[in-house]
Amino acid sequence: TAGITQAPTSQILAAGRSMTLRCTQDMRHNAMYWYRQDLGLGLRLIHYSNTAGTTGKGEVPDGYSVSRANTDDFPLTLASAVPSQTSVYFCASSDSNTVAGKAFFGQGTRLTVV
Amino acid sequence: GQNIDQPTEMTATEGAIVQINCTYQTSGFNGLFWYQQHAGEAPTFLSYNVLDGLEEKGRFSSFLSRSKGYSYLLLKELQMKDSASYLCAVVDSNYQLIWGAGTKLIIKP
Repeated sequence: TAGITQAPTSQILAAGRSMTLRCTQDMRHNAMYWYRQDLGLGLRLIHYSNTAGTTGKGEVPDGYSVSRANTDDFPLTLASAVPSQTSVYFCASSDSNTVAGKAFFGQGTRLTVV
Repeated sequence: GQNIDQPTEMTATEGAIVQINCTYQTSGFNGLFWYQQHAGEAPTFLSYNVLDGLEEKGRFSSFLSRSKGYSYLLLKELQMKDSASYLCAVVDSNYQLIWGAGTKLIIKP
């Protein structure tokens, strides 16, 4: 079982360029999340989606956008990257019909904006 | 505001016992999770507590006191592979996960 797949695993991006981080899950989970993880700050929620067709803003949404056209895919787009967006990005999913909030994570995307 | 506090780093000896504490102040409470994260890898689920008391799962146990806003993760018979970061996360009143910054656990032979 693949679980959650993120792509790419790492990327170096020039400031001002746009990029889409891909996330696909095969567990038919209704909820999906994007987090960024920075040293000393823990996981911070960027955007989330409780079900296909809906999205919401998390703690640090500025500079990021998401879409949820179907259950499986939840891409994260940086429209114009800035160095402060250098981070490790994790996509996660959960099934609200089971343990509340139990999340399964992808392997992460390490993004460096230069 | 919402806040989760954990020690930044702890050191323990192989074969020993270590307790990692987590205190929280959140808007509402719908459960507390512990996750393990090895360096360069994704977090993985360890435990979930929603009622007061101790949940035991092999070498790992997790305790919750809702009245004190307090939890701990107890790791017994430490092994070198337990070297990792341990993340505490609380489900708030909106069913959103609020994460602590994590505790880096270093195991020495």
